Amino acid sequence: GQNIDQPTEMTATEGAIVQINCTYQTSGFNGLFWYQQHAGEAPTFLSYNVLDGLEEKGRFSSFLSRSKGYSYLLLKELQMKDSASYLCAVRDSDYKLSFGAGTTVTVRA
Amino acid sequence: TAGITQAPTSQILAAGRSMTLRCTQDMRHNAMYWYRQDLGLGLRLIHYSNTAGTTGKGEVPDGYSVSRANTDDFPLTLASAVPSQTSVYFCASSDSPGGGGDTQYFGPGTRLTVL
Repeated sequence: GQNIDQPTEMTATEGAIVQINCTYQTSGFNGLFWYQQHAGEAPTFLSYNVLDGLEEKGRFSSFLSRSKGYSYLLLKELQMKDSASYLCAVRDSDYKLSFGAGTTVTVRA
Repeated sequence: TAGITQAPTSQILAAGRSMTLRCTQDMRHNAMYWYRQDLGLGLRLIHYSNTAGTTGKGEVPDGYSVSRANTDDFPLTLASAVPSQTSVYFCASSDSPGGGGDTQYFGPGTRLTVL
């Protein structure tokens, strides 16, 4: 099984940078995903890491360290529309996703 | 392309009644999933299907059943609803569950209240 931890809430100012950490303990690791979920909506895919290192996609970057069981999602140049929940999910050796409880990010003007 | 659709959008159900939540995808994805999302607990997998004709149990399968008669449809049935099944239910699909970057795409969700 998986044990996935991420902070419950974070607040940041428009234009700033926020880093959301995710730690996991897994019985089998086959990739880590980040999803964004706006209130009342479905989760949407943001990023995927399977090897150690940084993956960059525009304003969003995701980092993975498999030896430490650690990932972070970096959101740069924050915009009001980035206010949402960010879900860390680990895929196991059976290709199933286990999700963390999510981090609610509030962007203030 | 519609992607994934779910019906109904929301429902209030009396305890003890049965209900089927519908999920249809038009992306010809092989795999489909049902999750429930509860405050503070995140998304939890109920049942999944890696391909038409097969199903499997997830983390919280008790009280739920599924079928996968064809590629597009993956209904979730509550045989006798209980209040603890009050939740938001999301259906998802992915093209190739064993693929390297295989991504799950989510439907809009069904908000179910059991009284």
